Amino acid sequence: KAGVTQTPRYLIKTRGQQVTLSCSPISGHRSVSWYQQTPGQGLQFLFEYFSETQRNKGNFPGRFSGRQFSNSRSEMNVSTLELGDSALYLCASSPDWTSGRAITDTQYFGPGTRLTVL
Amino acid sequence: EDQVTQSPEALRLQEGESSSLNCSYTVSGLRGLFWYRQDPGKGPEFLFTLYSAGEEKEKERLKATLTKKESFLHITAPKPEDSATYLCAVRSGNTPLVFGKGTRLSVIA
Repeated sequence: KAGVTQTPRYLIKTRGQQVTLSCSPISGHRSVSWYQQTPGQGLQFLFEYFSETQRNKGNFPGRFSGRQFSNSRSEMNVSTLELGDSALYLCASSPDWTSGRAITDTQYFGPGTRLTVL
Repeated sequence: EDQVTQSPEALRLQEGESSSLNCSYTVSGLRGLFWYRQDPGKGPEFLFTLYSAGEEKEKERLKATLTKKESFLHITAPKPEDSATYLCAVRSGNTPLVFGKGTRLSVIA
């Protein structure tokens, strides 16, 4: 079974621009979560989507947004980029943690998108 | 608020020198504790999920254990290829995963 895929793998943008990152979950997985990883802050939760609905949102400004499509694929967008947005953006999918079955809680991560803001 | 603290921040071992990594957590009601391995520039790779105190899981040279306050990742006779950052995360109720800062492990041949 193919893993989580993320595109693009690398991006270089300048301050003020916007960027869209894409994530394709493991086939059959319905939940997609996004994280930002930086050396200083570690892995920080951005948002989680399930069945095209945002189920949880982290403590990030409104410049960060996302959506999920009917095929479970997800995109996240960052507008008006700042230097501090430079990070590894990770997407993770899980079958569905609301089902109550313990086995569905595990999240599987993609390789990430490395965003550099100049 | 859920919290996860991992120690030590960094660990340097000789090949074959067994050791343990610690993950202390504070949650309102543990739904699951997760261990991941992350190599530089890559996404975290899933290792184990633990759900209740007393539970243990093993995979090759790794063994994860869970108590009501902490989890240990035991590494037996490590090899250089075990060098990576090991991340611990917890989930309680319907909240998102909360990650620790990780332990950076170096295994020297």
